[in-house]
Amino acid sequence: GENVEQHPSTLSVQEGDSAVIKCTYSDSASNYFPWYKQELGKRPQLIIDIRSNVGEKKDQRIAVTLNKTAKHFSLHITETQPEDSAVYFCAASINFSGGYNKLIFGAGTRLAVHP
Amino acid sequence: DTGVSQNPRHKITKRGQNVTFRCDPISEHNRLYWYRQTLGQGPEFLTYFQNEAQLEKSRLLSDRFSAERPKGSFSTLEIQRTEQGDSAMYLCASTRQGNSTNEKLFFGSGTQLSVL
Repeated sequence: GENVEQHPSTLSVQEGDSAVIKCTYSDSASNYFPWYKQELGKRPQLIIDIRSNVGEKKDQRIAVTLNKTAKHFSLHITETQPEDSAVYFCAASINFSGGYNKLIFGAGTRLAVHP
Repeated sequence: DTGVSQNPRHKITKRGQNVTFRCDPISEHNRLYWYRQTLGQGPEFLTYFQNEAQLEKSRLLSDRFSAERPKGSFSTLEIQRTEQGDSAMYLCASTRQGNSTNEKLFFGSGTQLSVL
């Protein structure tokens, strides 16, 4: 069935270190993979996304890699800062013949960046 | 704020009561989604609207749940005869229909439902 697994569930790093979060998905037809950041009590915010026609995308300190063969993708945050502390969710698209999609989310990773 | 708007932000109700939530998507967005999020979990898909048509509904959605988008703009989600297991954050999200099947999805701040 439709499933996205995400790990680790919690991640604690020192300020300045890198953080890596990994996700695997089950639907080989998925072709869109966004990452959301959710701070306590706030809405999920899209931070980066990748489509299946590329293997890597970078945006300043954030990068995402995609391995379609293995059906996994990862979020990399370099030079972490305390304000990076939040819950991060990965998602994979499930596409329908009507030309629309829905996102299936992982369970989230709680990242804590310690000064 | 021109983002996705949801109200109320919080709703406390007694078991067995009916509740209704409202979502106002970003104005030019014709695609609207409802998700549910429980503590420690990712958002779980509930239903999808394209304009006023409800095109997809999760099998997890019991018949106590109903959603509408009568004019293709705002949407409402109603839960009848609420149960304690309905307690969750109900998130609305919207996107526009562009050149790609997958366009960026923008979330509202959600309605936190507590059923006592």
